[in-house]
Amino acid sequence: GAVVSQHPSRVICKSGTSVKIECRSLDFQATTMFWYRQFPKQSLMLMATSNEGSKATYEQGVEKDKFLINHASLTLSTLTVTSAHPEDSSFYICSAWGLAGGPGHNEQFFGPGTRLTVL
Amino acid sequence: GQQLNQSPQSMFIQEGEDVSMNCTSSSIFNTWLWYKQEPGEGPVLLIALYKAGELTSNGRLTAQFGITRKDSFLNISASIPSDVGIYFCAGSLASKLTFGTGTRLQVTL
Repeated sequence: GAVVSQHPSRVICKSGTSVKIECRSLDFQATTMFWYRQFPKQSLMLMATSNEGSKATYEQGVEKDKFLINHASLTLSTLTVTSAHPEDSSFYICSAWGLAGGPGHNEQFFGPGTRLTVL
Repeated sequence: GQQLNQSPQSMFIQEGEDVSMNCTSSSIFNTWLWYKQEPGEGPVLLIALYKAGELTSNGRLTAQFGITRKDSFLNISASIPSDVGIYFCAGSLASKLTFGTGTRLQVTL
C-alpha cells in the first residue's frame, strides 16, 4: 500500500516555542492531506484539510493562526504549532488522500503520528 | 467536532472467541471504514465498504455497511493475541473522515 511518513516521530519543546511537523507521501502524489489530533484515550479529531497550492480549510474550533499548514508540493504538507503551550501536547497524525488501487476508490493513507510534548 | 457512536467501548475476551463491534451515526456516509490503531502509531485500514448493504471480508474480519448508510459493524472471528488494539470505525463523505469513539480490545490467553 501507499506509504506516508511523518517527521519527527516525537518532539519535546518548551512552552512558547514553535514546532514544525512534516508529512510526506513517499510513493504517490497527494493533492489533499489531512491533519488530525488525538488526545490520550480519545479518537482522532480532524483539525484541517490541506490542499496543494491553496489555503488549508480548518475545522470549527481550530485556530488557523496557531496551527499553520503549508502544502507546497504534491508530496509534502507541514503543520507548525506556533507558541506551543502544554495544552497543545497531543498525538498529531497526518493522512494523504490517494488512489487505493481499486477503480474510483480513493482512500486516506495515514502517517505514523508525531507525539508532541510541551513542557 | 462530530464523532460516531461506537460500542462497546472496551472488551476483554479470551483467545479463540469471536468479537463484534458496531458504529452508528445520525448522518449518512458514502463509505464506511474500519481501522486498527496500536499504541503510538497511526491507524491502519482493515476494511473499506463502499455500498449500502455491502458485506466484505478480509481474513478473519467481516464488516457490513448498513442499509440506512448510518451504521456499520465489524466482526472478528477466532481472536488471537495480536488482535489487541483499538478499533475505530470511520464514515467518509466528500473525502473527509469522521471517526468513531473507538473500541479497545484486550485478548487473554
